[in-house]
Amino acid sequence: GDSVTQMEGPVTLSEEAFLTINCTYTATGYPSLFWYVQYPGEGLQLLLKATKADDKGSNKGFEATYRKETTSFHLEKGSVQVSDSAVYFCALSLYNFNKFYFGSGTKLNVKP
Amino acid sequence: SAVISQKPSRDICQRGTSLTIQCQVDSQVTMMFWYRQQPGQSLTLIATANQGSEATYESGFVIDKFPISRPNLTFSTLTVSNMSPEDSSIYLCSSGNGEAFFGQGTRLTVV
Repeated sequence: GDSVTQMEGPVTLSEEAFLTINCTYTATGYPSLFWYVQYPGEGLQLLLKATKADDKGSNKGFEATYRKETTSFHLEKGSVQVSDSAVYFCALSLYNFNKFYFGSGTKLNVKP
Repeated sequence: SAVISQKPSRDICQRGTSLTIQCQVDSQVTMMFWYRQQPGQSLTLIATANQGSEATYESGFVIDKFPISRPNLTFSTLTVSNMSPEDSSIYLCSSGNGEAFFGQGTRLTVV
């Protein structure tokens, strides 16, 4: 079936460190891929998305490239800030972006 | 983008009772979705709600436990029935085309 697997956390980094959160997927069709972020006490917000192979989504310094050959959509940021501390969810959607499947979430802690 | 409002935002309920969660979208949408986020875990899709038809439930979720209404294109309700402490979770509704927009969620604690 359709599913998303992402690296377990928590991930603890110092401010200005490089971030990678791995995400791989399994899909029966041609999914769109997403990263959502959940800040403490808040709801989910879309961080970035990519709708086809080789697309790169980017926002707020975060990037992820849709790699069909490796079925991956890894999240990266060159220099994290304390304010990036949150839980990050990788997700895929099929069927005209209506039905979503989420990974287990990765908690990021950034220390000053 | 869509703005999705949920209420209540939180509640503490006695076991054996039921709670109905409301979800309002600021525009007409074809599909609405209900998710559960158990403590420290990811989102699990409960069901898809289409206006004018019965909701479609994912494996492990049944209508008797989670009845859903979808009376029009901007509104849906999810009822958590005969609650037990295991139902303590955040319940979220979502909708959207091209991306999922989420409500703030309903934090339910069953005691």
